[in-house]
Amino acid sequence: DTGVSQDPRHKITKRGQNVTFRCDPISEHNRLYWYRQTLGQGPEFLTYFQNEAQLEKSRLLSDRFSAERPKGSFSTLEIQRTEQGDSAMYLCASSLGTGGRVSNEQFFGPGTRLTVL
Amino acid sequence: AQTVTQSQPEMSVQEAETVTLSCTYDTSESNYYLFWYKQPPSRQMILVIRQEAYKQQNATENRFSVNFQKAAKSFSLKISDSQLGDTAMYFCAFMKHVGGANSKLTFGKGITLSVRP
Repeated sequence: DTGVSQDPRHKITKRGQNVTFRCDPISEHNRLYWYRQTLGQGPEFLTYFQNEAQLEKSRLLSDRFSAERPKGSFSTLEIQRTEQGDSAMYLCASSLGTGGRVSNEQFFGPGTRLTVL
Repeated sequence: AQTVTQSQPEMSVQEAETVTLSCTYDTSESNYYLFWYKQPPSRQMILVIRQEAYKQQNATENRFSVNFQKAAKSFSLKISDSQLGDTAMYFCAFMKHVGGANSKLTFGKGITLSVRP
C-alpha cells in the first residue's frame, strides 16, 4: 500500500462552478478525515467518516459542501457553487479508528489544491 | 472546545544545532493526545512524535523529543542535531480521546523552521 492518495492534485475553477475531489485511504483504515488548509495556517477539520457513516461535520462545512464515503472505502468531497473563499488545500487523512488495533496516528494524503478564480 | 497556540511563526537554526519549538493548548479534557506533525515544502504531512496525556514520561523519537508540561498545558518539541531535511512547517496538534477510538485533530497555526547549512 502506497498510502493515502488524492485526486486531482490541483484544480482551478471559475467562481460558481462545482468541483469534486476524491480520496483513497490506506486500505485497512476505517476512519477517513477531511481537513482544509489555507496558506500559512494549520489544517482545519471539516468532517470524518467511520466506514460509510459520516460521524461529525464542522460548522465550516456549509450546505455547499457535501462529503460521501459510499462503500466505506474511497471518499468524495464536493463543493457546489464555488466561491473565491473556498480556495485552499483540501487534505484527506485516514486512520485505524476502532477495534483491536487502534492507532491514533492519522496518515495524510498530498492534498488537492483548489484555486477559485 | 480545544485550542492550540503556536506563537512563533518562524525559526531558523544552524545545521547540527538544537532548536525548540513551542506550543501551548487549552482544554478541559483529562484524556487526550498531543502530536507534532511535519509538513515539508510541497510534500505531505507526516507524524513526528506523539504524547499521551496520561503518561508523565516525555516521548522521544531519535533526534526528536518533547517537553510535556500538563499543568502548564505546554508541549514543546526539541530537535537535536538539526539536519537540512528538517526544514519544514511544524504543526502542534491535539486529539481528544473518545472511548476506544480516536477523533479529529485540532491544529495550531504552525511554525516554519529553516535549517541553515
